[in-house]
Amino acid sequence: AQTVTQSQPEMSVQEAETVTLSCTYDTSESNYYLFWYKQPPSRQMILVIRQEAYKQQNATENRFSVNFQKAAKSFSLKISDSQLGDTAMYFCAFMGFFGNEKLTFGTGTRLTIIP
Amino acid sequence: DVKVTQSSRYLVKRTGEKVFLECVQDMDHENMFWYRQDPGLGLRLIYFSYDVKMKEKGDIPEGYSVSREKKERFSLILESASTNQTSMYLCASSFRSSSSYNSPLHFGNGTRLTVT
Repeated sequence: AQTVTQSQPEMSVQEAETVTLSCTYDTSESNYYLFWYKQPPSRQMILVIRQEAYKQQNATENRFSVNFQKAAKSFSLKISDSQLGDTAMYFCAFMGFFGNEKLTFGTGTRLTIIP
Repeated sequence: DVKVTQSSRYLVKRTGEKVFLECVQDMDHENMFWYRQDPGLGLRLIYFSYDVKMKEKGDIPEGYSVSREKKERFSLILESASTNQTSMYLCASSFRSSSSYNSPLHFGNGTRLTVT
């Protein structure tokens, strides 16, 4: 079974700074998908960014980018120019290629942006 | 925009009660999921369904059952609620896609259930 580990339960950073959230996973599959979801205080889970394991290029979505290290099974999220609206729980998630669309989530990192 | 609606935002029930959590999506998604969210444990999959009348156990199905009589509705049932089922419950849906990557999950806003 796959596992996803987020080792930082809480983080805080000053507004406009850059922050990196870490995620590691364990799998025996060679092809899979990785995701970062954001859950603000409103509780609505929102997809932030996604990565296909067979793509070497790191995904980028505006201020959000990932550092995907397949050999190390690491998938960190970098938020540049952080904004107050980035305050949220962030979950890393794994989906196997044959995983029938099921996601396995990490335990989450609570990120607070300080004004 | 896809909308996944959970019938209650907050719910308080007594131990031993039968509890129904309802979820409706309006995008004709084939897949529907129920997750449970607890601090320090993240989201854990309880049950999921790929089609009407289909259901499959997730990672923590004990104490729960589900019903999917219509494509748009997926109900989570606690047959006899217990205090250890106090939690946040999240419903999600997605298309059955040949590429899972291209059909991300859409979530409801969650139901915070307290069992006393």
